[in-house]
Amino acid sequence: SQTIHQWPATLVQPVGSPLSLECTVEGTSNPNLYWYRQAAGRGLQLLFYSVGIGQISSEVPQNLSASRPQDRQFILSSKKLLLSDSGFYLCAWSVGDPWGASYTFGSGTRLTVV
Amino acid sequence: DAKTTQPTSMDCAEGRAANLPCNHSTISGNEYVYWYRQIHSQGPQYIIHGLKNNETNEMASLIITEDRKSSTLILPHATLRDTAVYYCIVRVSFNAGNNRKLIWGLGTSLAVNP
Repeated sequence: SQTIHQWPATLVQPVGSPLSLECTVEGTSNPNLYWYRQAAGRGLQLLFYSVGIGQISSEVPQNLSASRPQDRQFILSSKKLLLSDSGFYLCAWSVGDPWGASYTFGSGTRLTVV
Repeated sequence: DAKTTQPTSMDCAEGRAANLPCNHSTISGNEYVYWYRQIHSQGPQYIIHGLKNNETNEMASLIITEDRKSSTLILPHATLRDTAVYYCIVRVSFNAGNNRKLIWGLGTSLAVNP
């Protein structure tokens, strides 16, 4: 069966520090991968999506970047965190049409920048 | 901006049917309606989706009006574990080509009470 792993569950980082969040998927090949952010009191915001290794599309210009070094690995990074980067970060995957299929989400990482 | 309108919150008695409404008056003929739910501090979970016919699965039923301007998600026998935020989403186009992303609103916070 397919599973998605996302870690860490919670993270407290100082302003200006780097960030690396990792997401891996098991049990499927060539998944579409997504990074979302959910700020307090707001809906989910799509940050990045990837339809294949090395293929990254950015939805919102910001302080973050994403990489896909392997088929089932998706990494969200920042060189210098801002206070506004705080939020609940979610990784998700789908197969087939990147926008037509249902998504399976990970359990999320709650990031607090202090 | 979200293209759906949902009540902010609802209550339901355990064992009763929970009927969650959603308005999507500007939906296009080829846009699907998706429902997800998010239990506190977890990633969203796919529930069901439909185009114009009513749909049913092991989790819920989706009733779409004939003019497709609104829909209702029905949890036939709500349990305490159904307490969550329920999101109604339509698939929209955001740029030229076939890229279409889901626009997430704030959803309906459903409280199932014993």
